[in-house]
Amino acid sequence: SQQGEEDPQALSIQEGENATMNCSYKTSINNLQWYRQNSGRGLVHLILIRSNEREKHSGRLRVTLDTSKKSSSLLITASRAADTASYFCATGFQKLVFGTGTRLLVSP
Amino acid sequence: GAVVSQHPSRVICKSGTSVKIECRSLDFQATTMFWYRQFPKQSLMLMATSNEGSKATYEQGVEKDKFLINHASLTLSTLTVTSAHPEDSSFYICSAREWATTNEKLLFGSGTQLSVL
Repeated sequence: SQQGEEDPQALSIQEGENATMNCSYKTSINNLQWYRQNSGRGLVHLILIRSNEREKHSGRLRVTLDTSKKSSSLLITASRAADTASYFCATGFQKLVFGTGTRLLVSP
Repeated sequence: GAVVSQHPSRVICKSGTSVKIECRSLDFQATTMFWYRQFPKQSLMLMATSNEGSKATYEQGVEKDKFLINHASLTLSTLTVTSAHPEDSSFYICSAREWATTNEKLLFGSGTQLSVL
C-alpha cells in the first residue's frame, strides 16, 4: 500500500495547548500537503511543503519535513476548540495518497 | 472564487437501487476530477480519476460496472453507484484542481454520505 501512516490516531488536548501530529510516507515525493476534515465534510487544504524545504509556517501552523526519514509533522500552536477535526497528510501530484489521519479533539 | 460543489450531501436509498452523485466545478473548468471513498474514522481512498470526454481510470479493486463515472463536460462529473448494497454505504468525496491559482492543491467537494438500507 502506498498509504502513509499518521500518529497518533487520536489526540485529545485542552484549549491553549499545542498539538503535534506526525506523518510517515513510503515513496519519494515532490511535496507533501496537510489537509483538515471536519466531521462529515470535505477536506480543506492547510499547507504544502516542498521536498527541498525543511520547515514552513502558516499562522498557527508549523510543518516540518524530513525527507531522509520520509516523515513530516504538523504542529498547531495555541489550539482552539474550533481546531477539532481530523488531519491528513497527503503525497502525490494528480492522484493524492492520504495518510491514515489524526483525530484531534480540543476541549474548552 | 473557485469551488467544487457536490450534491447531494446525504442520500438514503433501498438496496438494489442506483444513486447518482454530482460534482461540479464552479468558476473554473476541470478536465480531471477525482473520486474518493471514505469509511468511518478512516482515510480517503482514491476510487477513480474522471477524465472529461474519455473513460475514467479506476484504481485497482474498484468495480467499474458498479461505480459508473461520467465526465461529459468541463464542469461536471457524476458517480453512479449501481444496484447499491449496504456495503456500499460510505462517504464519497470528489475533488478537482483549479490550475490558475491552486495548481498544487486540490479543491474538495463537501462529500456525500450514502446509506443503503
